[in-house]
Amino acid sequence: SAVISQKPSRDICQRGTSLTIQCQVDSQVTMMFWYRQQPGQSLTLIATANQGSEATYESGFVIDKFPISRPNLTFSTLTVSNMSPEDSSIYLCSVAPSSTGELFFGEGSRLTVL
Amino acid sequence: AQSVTQPDIHITVSEGASLELRCNYSYGATPYLFWYVQSPGQGLQLLLKYFSGDTLVQGIKGFEAEFKRSQSSFNLRKPSVHWSDAAEYFCAVGATEINFGNEKLTFGTGTRLTIIP
Repeated sequence: SAVISQKPSRDICQRGTSLTIQCQVDSQVTMMFWYRQQPGQSLTLIATANQGSEATYESGFVIDKFPISRPNLTFSTLTVSNMSPEDSSIYLCSVAPSSTGELFFGEGSRLTVL
Repeated sequence: AQSVTQPDIHITVSEGASLELRCNYSYGATPYLFWYVQSPGQGLQLLLKYFSGDTLVQGIKGFEAEFKRSQSSFNLRKPSVHWSDAAEYFCAVGATEINFGNEKLTFGTGTRLTIIP
């Protein structure tokens, strides 16, 4: 299993600003995943973060908008840049610490952009 | 690419009644299948998973799910719901060419469960 802590748990931001979300895991993991959950929607994978290399982004997501850092095997950050109201979502960090395919999730960071 | 359909957006059941949440998937081979639950203001918690073997899988909190290949379904069931089961439920599918630590899941749109006294 894995325990994941995300900060901030929620924030209200102004249009045009940027916010960095932190994700800390209690064990070393190869890859960390960042998901977005827009209001009333399902989870959409933003990118996969691998330690020591650039993140891999899914279709529709770009590094300039969602830069990701992965400085070590237990930590990652996701920045939401130049925010607009459409970025209002819950952003979730997840990991798969074993080969079973089971994802563990943080409690999410609820972002509201005014 | 895999996909997941949860046809029921919202379901309301009485406390003590039985529950079935539907999930249909699309994938070219036998997939890995998951059910997650998200309580208000919480992250996602795994209820159960299917990888292979017995097609009826048991999970936490008294939930079970049955994999039916012929129907491409993985419906979630509980014989008697409790008020604490009110939450959002997500079905997810993973590719069987999963590599260690490289799992990516595709989620359905979720089913919101309301429990009435």
